[in-house]
Amino acid sequence: AQSVTQLGSHVSVSEGALVLLRCNYSSSVPPYLFWYVQYPNQGLQLLLKYTSAATLVKGINGFEAEFKKSETSFHLTKPSAHMSDAAEYFCAVKHSGAGSYQLTFGKGTKLSVIP
Amino acid sequence: DAGVIQSPRHEVTEMGQEVTLRCKPISGHDYLFWYRQTMMRGLELLIYFNNNVPIDDSGMPEDRFSAKMPNASFSTLKIQPSEPRDSAVYFCASSLGPGQGTSISSYNEQFFGPGTRLTVL
Repeated sequence: AQSVTQLGSHVSVSEGALVLLRCNYSSSVPPYLFWYVQYPNQGLQLLLKYTSAATLVKGINGFEAEFKKSETSFHLTKPSAHMSDAAEYFCAVKHSGAGSYQLTFGKGTKLSVIP
Repeated sequence: DAGVIQSPRHEVTEMGQEVTLRCKPISGHDYLFWYRQTMMRGLELLIYFNNNVPIDDSGMPEDRFSAKMPNASFSTLKIQPSEPRDSAVYFCASSLGPGQGTSISSYNEQFFGPGTRLTVL
């Protein structure tokens, strides 16, 4: 069964500092991996996705993530945090198996940006 | 496209009452998902449909919960009777399925609605 683990339920960074949100996955087959962002009182919005093409994936708002099979990781980074990045971030993995389109989400990491 | 539409955005009800949450997926999407989000349990998949047919309802907590999709543009999630522990934010999401002209990366992306915040007193 596929699963994801997000290290750290809360991360605080200063404005302009590097953002690093960690995600490790467990999957018996090459996974499809996603990062979603949730702003307060809103639904989830896709930031980026890995679907077995390039291992370095660029998303919206300057975020990117690198798929590392040897480390079973898909960490999310952004070189310079902006106040508007304050939100909750979710890593997700798609279930394997023909005809399966379910995603399993991590518990989420709440990002705070300090001015 | 307006995206996934959910109604109501907020619902406050008393224990024992019936609650119906509504969702309109993005036109042309083959899959519809219902999720529940709580502080304690995070984001949980309750049920999902493919072409209006329920595929996996193993996440539905108990018989008090039921979901229907009478046509491609409408789905409901009903709780009867409601209990305080049902208080949560309920999300609907939709996605494309594999089909003519659909890339792998496209049909794996789920689009979420704004959610319904349910409070059961």
